[in-house]
Amino acid sequence: GAVVSQHPSRVICKSGTSVKIECRSLDFQATTMFWYRQFPKQSLMLMATSNEGSKATYEQGVEKDKFLINHASLTLSTLTVTSAHPEDSSFYICSASGRDTQYFGPGTRLTVL
Amino acid sequence: GQNIDQPTEMTATEGAIVQINCTYQTSGFNGLFWYQQHAGEAPTFLSYNVLDGLEEKGRFSSFLSRSKGYSYLLLKELQMKDSASYLCAVVMIKAAGNKLTFGGGTRVLVKP
Repeated sequence: GAVVSQHPSRVICKSGTSVKIECRSLDFQATTMFWYRQFPKQSLMLMATSNEGSKATYEQGVEKDKFLINHASLTLSTLTVTSAHPEDSSFYICSASGRDTQYFGPGTRLTVL
Repeated sequence: GQNIDQPTEMTATEGAIVQINCTYQTSGFNGLFWYQQHAGEAPTFLSYNVLDGLEEKGRFSSFLSRSKGYSYLLLKELQMKDSASYLCAVVMIKAAGNKLTFGGGTRVLVKP
């Protein structure tokens, strides 16, 4: 199957700093990528749909100014958590849309102190 | 909006069979996926149903009834490594890029 990578896999930062997470589709071009957030023992919650060359579409309740998404190429989308706070600590997962399904990255564990 | 419901937790014995049900209420249904997710890892694709009936793939089978808004994932000959969360997800017609809506997930614990 298709391969999607995420970097970094784990990040610890101080409150108030910004953190950038990269999502790459390694062997196919993805016009659409998705960003999810998952809290412990909960399911995936879709944050936004990232469209190459256009603005991201955010789900209700997700602050677009806090979670900046850039999808500058067909193989790369980035999520920047600006001015991170402890409540932003979570598991962030991206996925890239393939022909029949979504392919998920390995996730990024963010811990904000 | 969409409602996707599945049980929160299930426990089964190694070697047994477990059936995880998923019910959904959506408009413009265009397919249902099952994913497996181990703790701290990303979901991995298990199955996709868009037509009614049973899809069998080794120890795992998935069933869909569109008229009833119902699906199940059947795990046979359970192994300890099958302990994981199982996520039911629906894709809508005209959903951009196969946008998925996930249920809450079912945590399956396999005991010796």
